[in-house]
Amino acid sequence: EVQLVESGGGLVQPGGSLRLSCAASGFTFSSYDMHWVRQATGKGLEWVSAIGTAGDTYYPGSVKGRFTISRENAKNSLYLQMNSLRAGDTAVYYCARVKVAGPDRYFDLWGRGTLVTVSS
Amino acid sequence: SSELTQDPAVSVALGQTVRITCQGDSLRSYYASWYQQKPGQAPVLVIYGKNNRPSGIPDRFSGSSSGNTASLTITGAQAEDEADYYCNSRDSSGNHLGWVFGGGTKLTVL
Repeated sequence: EVQLVESGGGLVQPGGSLRLSCAASGFTFSSYDMHWVRQATGKGLEWVSAIGTAGDTYYPGSVKGRFTISRENAKNSLYLQMNSLRAGDTAVYYCARVKVAGPDRYFDLWGRGTLVTVSS
Repeated sequence: SSELTQDPAVSVALGQTVRITCQGDSLRSYYASWYQQKPGQAPVLVIYGKNNRPSGIPDRFSGSSSGNTASLTITGAQAEDEADYYCNSRDSSGNHLGWVFGGGTKLTVL
């Protein structure tokens, strides 16, 4: 079955760190760009990070310097190392696959998400 | 970075047609993709590219684009279409490449 399964979420204190994982199965993981997208409770989707097939990485200003995305193709796994966490980082974090079709790029596969709560 | 603007809420009578719009500068360079999200579930892709539907998405969903505005149209809305809808595109403003989501539109089917 083609799927993405996130893990590693939980409760962490402000200023703390957490590492999320995303296990991919049913497709050739190394051939796809992968992203993390988050959603605070009752709020919209927010793009968090991306990693290309060549290992190139991208971040929005809100997490740049604090979050690091990485991948381990041999293990079909995507990671998100989150440091210096703030209350505003509290959200469900989704792992998502990007499909490239000519000039089009879109998220064609999503995991179910893992909840990160930053609170003292 | 660029932003994508959506109306927070839209309603439609059962069986009628509704258009959900998304505005942003990035849409002048990139097509939007559209995602449906129901409570407690992950987003699901409904439209991508110029006007393409993934397998399994009903043909009542369609997309269009003009200038800085992308639109998702549901022709003959059904009760099961009640959900939040998000647009998304790449963003190449400034000195970096990224991605951006609209704030989402809550669709109510009356």
